[in-house]
Amino acid sequence: GESVGLHLPTLSVQEGDNSIINCAYSNSASDYFIWYKQESGKGPQFIIDIRSNMDKRQGQRVTVLLNKTVKHLSLQIAATQPGDSAVYFCAESSNDYKLSFGAGTTVTVRA
Amino acid sequence: GAVVSQHPSWVICKSGTSVKIECRSLDFQATTMFWYRQFPKQSLMLMATSNEGSKATYEQGVEKDKFLINHASLTLSTLTVTSAHPEDSSFYICSAPYPGATNEKLFFGSGTQLSVL
Repeated sequence: GESVGLHLPTLSVQEGDNSIINCAYSNSASDYFIWYKQESGKGPQFIIDIRSNMDKRQGQRVTVLLNKTVKHLSLQIAATQPGDSAVYFCAESSNDYKLSFGAGTTVTVRA
Repeated sequence: GAVVSQHPSWVICKSGTSVKIECRSLDFQATTMFWYRQFPKQSLMLMATSNEGSKATYEQGVEKDKFLINHASLTLSTLTVTSAHPEDSSFYICSAPYPGATNEKLFFGSGTQLSVL
């Protein structure tokens, strides 16, 4: 499944399909971006990060894309699994540590 | 990876009482820690930056006299919610930067769910 537009609060995806989660950031001075996964009642879990001098970075089953021109960030999850069901947040920073979080997207994986 | 321990995991208190939440970096030193608040189905909002040995820096709109932060050692920051009211019920999360990290730079605690009756 793919979210339409810059951001949706929920995304439902069939198990095994690829997921794309979008995020729009606001601060042109931000040079560091991170994606987090948060499960209910837990703290955020780091997924992947990217600096502004890159436009793509890949991890295990995940890819982050950065478009600085339109201040857009996306997270692609390959072969989505039930364990991927969670809320996903993008975060931006201009000093690596002080983060500003986006609104979050709830991902639900259908069996 | 580095571990940030947060305690308690949940707390229920009566309106008007004060509650202290601890955030510890277990295997590294943290001169700075961050405190966030998260309401149900909302994002994390930065409340303040805790600085070891000096005053915390609060974000706009956060009452410093209500949310007391103490960072007395390089491994411990505490957030005290004073005279708590039901509207303070929220999920409070701390984070600490890991010195010299090249990839994952910030580590988060597991959060504290505060319910004020």
